[in-house]
Amino acid sequence: KQEVTQIPAALSVPEGENLVLNCSFTDSAIYNLQWFRQDPGKGLTSLLLIQSSQREQTSGRLNASLDKSSGRSTLYIAASQPGDSATYLCAVRSPRGSTLGRLYFGRGTQLTVWP
Amino acid sequence: NAGVTQTPKFQVLKTGQSMTLQCAQDMNHEYMSWYRQDPGMGLRLIHYSVGAGITDQGEVPNGYNVSRSTTEDFPLRLLSAAPSQTSVYFCASKGLDAGNTIYFGEGSWLTVV
Repeated sequence: KQEVTQIPAALSVPEGENLVLNCSFTDSAIYNLQWFRQDPGKGLTSLLLIQSSQREQTSGRLNASLDKSSGRSTLYIAASQPGDSATYLCAVRSPRGSTLGRLYFGRGTQLTVWP
Repeated sequence: NAGVTQTPKFQVLKTGQSMTLQCAQDMNHEYMSWYRQDPGMGLRLIHYSVGAGITDQGEVPNGYNVSRSTTEDFPLRLLSAAPSQTSVYFCASKGLDAGNTIYFGEGSWLTVV
């Protein structure tokens, strides 16, 4: 069974810092990897989706990389802002069940950016 | 766009009661699913559907039923609520290509006393 681990579990940084969130997975046979943001009391918002054939994806101040062979992904946030405070979840879609596979989630990194 | 809509947002049930969590999407997505999110456990898949009339079990299906009579709706039924089903429930939908982005509803907070 695929297992997804996120380190650190929590992170508190001052505004303006560049930071890296880590995600690792045990089975490299994946369709894709997705990073989500979850605000308190809210659902999940997709930030970046990296297909298994890709190495990285960028959106604004966010950059996500994927090293499938080593089972790792990193989410890089440049010039962090208080508005970035949220829980960041990593999920991999692995072959299981239907042709769509199944999404396996990490437990998240709770990020606090203070002014 | 409404996206994925879940109701109710909050619900308190007594042990043994039954209820239905509603989920509707307006993106014409074939795939819909239900997850539960518990502290320290991450999100776990309960049931999913790849189209009207087709449902299948996820990782933690016991105590829950689903049906998919239309493309838009995917209700989750708790047959006889137990305290262990206290959780936050998320509905999600996506297109059938494995590479498509998945979209989540805002969640339903359920407490079973």
